Amino acid sequence: GENVEQHPSTLSVQEGDSAVIKCTYSDSASNYFPWYKQELGKRPQLIIDIRSNVGEKKDQRIAVTLNKTAKHFSLHITETQPEDSAVYFCAASDGGGGADGLTFGKGTHLIIQP
Amino acid sequence: EPEVTQTPSHQVTQMGQEVILRCVPISNHLYFYWYRQILGQKVEFLVSFYNNEISEKSEIFDDQFSVERPDGSNFTLKIRSTKLEDSAMYFCASSETRGGGTPLHFGNGTRLTVT
Repeated sequence: GENVEQHPSTLSVQEGDSAVIKCTYSDSASNYFPWYKQELGKRPQLIIDIRSNVGEKKDQRIAVTLNKTAKHFSLHITETQPEDSAVYFCAASDGGGGADGLTFGKGTHLIIQP
Repeated sequence: EPEVTQTPSHQVTQMGQEVILRCVPISNHLYFYWYRQILGQKVEFLVSFYNNEISEKSEIFDDQFSVERPDGSNFTLKIRSTKLEDSAMYFCASSETRGGGTPLHFGNGTRLTVT
Protein backbone atom coordinates (compact mmCIF):
# COMPACT_ATOMS: atom_id res chain seq x y z
CA GLY A 1 0.00 0.00 0.00
CA GLU A 2 0.85 3.67 -0.04
CA ASN A 3 3.35 5.14 2.45
CA VAL A 4 3.60 8.90 2.99
CA GLU A 5 6.53 10.50 4.78
CA GLN A 6 6.30 14.10 5.98
CA HIS A 7 9.00 16.50 7.19
CA PRO A 8 9.65 18.31 9.39
CA SER A 9 7.55 17.22 12.35
CA THR A 10 7.81 20.71 13.85
CA LEU A 11 8.51 23.97 12.04
CA SER A 12 8.90 27.33 13.73
CA VAL A 13 9.08 30.48 11.59
CA GLN A 14 8.91 34.20 12.21
CA GLU A 15 5.69 35.94 11.29
CA GLY A 16 5.96 37.18 7.73
CA ASP A 17 8.49 34.55 6.68
CA SER A 18 7.76 31.58 4.42
CA ALA A 19 7.18 27.99 5.52
CA VAL A 20 7.78 24.86 3.47
CA ILE A 21 6.57 21.38 4.37
CA LYS A 22 7.66 18.38 2.31
CA CYS A 23 6.14 14.97 1.70
CA THR A 24 7.18 11.90 -0.22
CA TYR A 25 5.01 9.03 -1.32
CA SER A 26 5.75 5.49 -2.39
CA ASP A 27 3.02 4.44 -4.81
CA SER A 28 3.76 5.79 -8.27
CA ALA A 29 0.10 5.24 -9.18
CA SER A 30 -1.10 7.80 -6.61
CA ASN A 31 -2.77 10.66 -8.38
CA TYR A 32 -4.34 12.95 -5.79
CA PHE A 33 -2.49 14.92 -3.10
CA PRO A 34 -4.48 17.06 -0.66
CA TRP A 35 -3.21 19.12 2.24
CA TYR A 36 -5.21 19.49 5.44
CA LYS A 37 -4.90 22.01 8.25
CA GLN A 38 -5.91 20.91 11.72
CA GLU A 39 -6.22 23.33 14.61
CA LEU A 40 -6.06 21.95 18.13
CA GLY A 41 -9.10 19.82 18.92
CA LYS A 42 -10.73 20.47 15.57
CA ARG A 43 -11.30 18.56 12.37
CA PRO A 44 -8.87 18.46 9.45
CA GLN A 45 -9.82 21.04 6.87
CA LEU A 46 -8.78 20.86 3.24
CA ILE A 47 -6.69 23.89 2.30
CA ILE A 48 -5.38 22.93 -1.12
CA ASP A 49 -5.03 19.86 -3.34
CA ILE A 50 -3.23 18.89 -6.50
CA ARG A 51 -3.68 16.15 -9.04
CA SER A 52 -0.92 14.33 -10.83
CA ASN A 53 -1.52 16.03 -14.16
CA VAL A 54 -0.46 19.38 -12.65
CA GLY A 55 2.96 20.44 -11.36
CA GLU A 56 1.98 23.43 -9.28
CA LYS A 57 -1.13 25.05 -7.87
CA LYS A 58 -1.48 28.32 -6.02
CA ASP A 59 -4.21 29.85 -3.90
CA GLN A 60 -3.30 33.26 -2.48
CA ARG A 61 -0.53 32.68 0.11
CA ILE A 62 -0.59 28.89 -0.27
CA ALA A 63 0.99 26.86 -3.04
CA VAL A 64 1.65 23.20 -3.62
CA THR A 65 4.22 21.69 -5.96
CA LEU A 66 4.38 18.13 -7.20
CA ASN A 67 7.32 16.24 -8.65
CA LYS A 68 5.99 12.94 -9.97
CA THR A 69 9.38 11.64 -11.01
CA ALA A 70 10.80 12.07 -7.54
CA LYS A 71 7.46 11.25 -5.89
CA HIS A 72 7.41 14.23 -3.64
CA PHE A 73 5.15 17.21 -3.10
CA SER A 74 5.48 20.30 -0.97
CA LEU A 75 3.32 22.93 0.68
CA HIS A 76 4.52 26.53 0.60
CA ILE A 77 3.00 29.23 2.80
CA THR A 78 4.22 32.76 2.20
CA GLU A 79 3.87 35.84 4.44
CA THR A 80 2.92 33.65 7.39
CA GLN A 81 0.45 34.96 9.94
CA PRO A 82 -0.35 33.87 13.53
CA GLU A 83 -3.54 32.15 12.35
CA ASP A 84 -1.42 29.83 10.20
CA SER A 85 -0.27 28.09 13.39
CA ALA A 86 -1.69 24.56 13.25
CA VAL A 87 -0.81 20.99 12.35
CA TYR A 88 -0.62 20.39 8.62
CA PHE A 89 -1.11 16.95 7.09
CA CYS A 90 -0.27 15.88 3.58
CA ALA A 91 -2.05 12.90 2.06
CA ALA A 92 -2.03 10.77 -1.04
CA SER A 93 -4.57 8.59 -2.67
CA ASP A 94 -3.68 4.99 -3.32
CA GLY A 95 -4.59 5.18 -6.95
CA GLY A 96 -3.48 1.68 -7.84
CA GLY A 97 -6.97 0.30 -7.78
CA GLY A 98 -8.98 3.46 -7.55
CA ALA A 99 -8.90 2.94 -3.81
CA ASP A 100 -10.96 5.12 -1.60
CA GLY A 101 -8.85 5.84 1.41
CA LEU A 102 -6.36 8.65 1.80
CA THR A 103 -2.99 7.85 3.35
CA PHE A 104 -1.85 10.68 5.59
CA GLY A 105 1.59 11.82 6.62
CA LYS A 106 2.39 12.17 10.31
CA GLY A 107 1.81 15.89 10.34
CA THR A 108 3.86 19.05 10.77
CA HIS A 109 3.25 21.33 13.72
CA LEU A 110 3.73 24.82 12.30
CA ILE A 111 4.43 27.50 14.87
CA ILE A 112 4.38 31.15 13.81
CA GLN A 113 6.50 33.28 16.12
CA PRO A 114 5.24 36.88 16.51
CA GLU B 1 -21.96 25.67 3.71
CA PRO B 2 -23.17 22.11 4.39
CA GLU B 3 -21.20 20.18 6.99
CA VAL B 4 -20.69 16.64 8.18
CA THR B 5 -22.08 16.38 11.71
CA GLN B 6 -21.06 13.87 14.35
CA THR B 7 -22.52 12.89 17.69
CA PRO B 8 -21.60 12.67 20.46
CA SER B 9 -18.62 15.00 20.61
CA HIS B 10 -17.18 12.99 23.51
CA GLN B 11 -17.93 9.42 24.56
CA VAL B 12 -16.55 7.74 27.65
CA THR B 13 -16.99 4.00 27.98
CA GLN B 14 -15.63 1.10 29.94
CA MET B 15 -13.43 -1.53 28.36
CA GLY B 16 -15.51 -4.33 26.85
CA GLN B 17 -18.57 -2.18 26.26
CA GLU B 18 -20.12 -1.53 22.88
CA VAL B 19 -20.19 2.00 21.47
CA ILE B 20 -21.93 3.50 18.47
CA LEU B 21 -20.62 6.68 16.92
CA ARG B 22 -23.02 8.58 14.73
CA CYS B 23 -22.54 10.72 11.66
CA VAL B 24 -24.75 12.62 9.26
CA PRO B 25 -22.86 13.06 5.97
CA ILE B 26 -23.47 15.93 3.58
CA SER B 27 -26.79 15.22 1.91
CA ASN B 28 -25.73 14.92 -1.75
CA HIS B 29 -22.56 12.94 -1.00
CA LEU B 30 -22.42 9.30 -1.97
CA TYR B 31 -19.23 8.05 -0.29
CA PHE B 32 -18.75 7.88 3.44
CA TYR B 33 -15.68 7.20 5.54
CA TRP B 34 -14.44 6.70 9.04
CA TYR B 35 -10.95 7.78 10.07
CA ARG B 36 -9.22 7.54 13.43
CA GLN B 37 -6.64 9.80 15.05
CA ILE B 38 -4.89 8.70 18.22
CA LEU B 39 -3.89 11.73 20.27
CA GLY B 40 -0.89 13.47 18.74
CA GLN B 41 -0.65 11.08 15.82
CA LYS B 42 -1.68 11.05 12.19
CA VAL B 43 -5.11 10.50 10.76
CA GLU B 44 -5.65 6.83 9.81
CA PHE B 45 -8.15 5.42 7.35
CA LEU B 46 -10.58 2.85 8.75
CA VAL B 47 -13.29 2.18 6.21
CA SER B 48 -15.19 3.55 3.23
CA PHE B 49 -18.83 2.88 2.40
CA TYR B 50 -20.77 3.23 -0.81
CA ASN B 51 -24.13 2.01 -2.00
CA ASN B 52 -24.93 0.42 1.34
CA GLU B 53 -21.83 -1.70 1.55
CA ILE B 54 -18.22 -1.47 2.59
CA SER B 55 -16.06 -0.37 -0.32
CA GLU B 56 -12.68 -0.66 1.33
CA LYS B 57 -11.27 -1.22 4.81
CA SER B 58 -7.88 -1.01 6.47
CA GLU B 59 -6.09 -3.47 8.71
CA ILE B 60 -7.31 -1.50 11.73
CA PHE B 61 -10.92 -2.26 10.84
CA ASP B 62 -11.12 -5.75 12.30
CA ASP B 63 -14.11 -7.85 13.35
CA GLN B 64 -14.75 -5.60 16.35
CA PHE B 65 -15.78 -2.79 14.01
CA SER B 66 -18.86 -2.49 11.84
CA VAL B 67 -20.56 0.27 9.91
CA GLU B 68 -24.14 0.80 8.96
CA ARG B 69 -26.38 3.26 7.19
CA PRO B 70 -29.61 2.57 9.07
CA ASP B 71 -31.63 5.20 7.23
CA GLY B 72 -31.23 7.77 4.50
CA SER B 73 -29.19 10.21 6.56
CA ASN B 74 -27.20 8.50 9.33
CA PHE B 75 -23.94 6.60 9.06
CA THR B 76 -22.73 4.77 12.15
CA LEU B 77 -19.54 3.13 13.39
CA LYS B 78 -19.97 0.42 16.00
CA ILE B 79 -17.17 -0.96 18.13
CA ARG B 80 -18.44 -4.20 19.61
CA SER B 81 -16.13 -4.65 22.59
CA THR B 82 -13.95 -1.64 23.21
CA LYS B 83 -10.30 -1.89 24.19
CA LEU B 84 -8.09 0.72 25.83
CA GLU B 85 -6.25 1.21 22.55
CA ASP B 86 -9.49 2.21 20.83
CA SER B 87 -9.26 5.54 22.65
CA ALA B 88 -8.91 8.11 19.88
CA MET B 89 -10.69 10.81 17.92
CA TYR B 90 -12.95 9.28 15.29
CA PHE B 91 -13.70 11.38 12.26
CA CYS B 92 -16.49 10.74 9.81
CA ALA B 93 -16.05 12.11 6.29
CA SER B 94 -18.00 12.20 3.07
CA SER B 95 -17.35 13.01 -0.56
CA GLU B 96 -19.42 13.49 -3.67
CA THR B 97 -17.56 10.85 -5.60
CA ARG B 98 -14.87 8.30 -4.84
CA GLY B 99 -12.37 9.65 -2.34
CA GLY B 100 -9.33 8.69 -4.34
CA GLY B 101 -9.45 11.94 -6.24
CA THR B 102 -12.05 14.21 -4.71
CA PRO B 103 -12.05 16.34 -1.57
CA LEU B 104 -13.12 14.76 1.67
CA HIS B 105 -15.19 16.78 4.09
CA PHE B 106 -14.59 15.84 7.72
CA GLY B 107 -16.91 16.13 10.66
CA ASN B 108 -15.78 17.61 13.99
CA GLY B 109 -15.06 14.17 15.38
CA THR B 110 -16.05 12.09 18.38
CA ARG B 111 -13.46 11.74 21.10
CA LEU B 112 -13.73 8.20 22.43
CA THR B 113 -12.20 7.49 25.82
CA VAL B 114 -12.06 3.87 26.95
CA THR B 115 -11.36 3.38 30.65
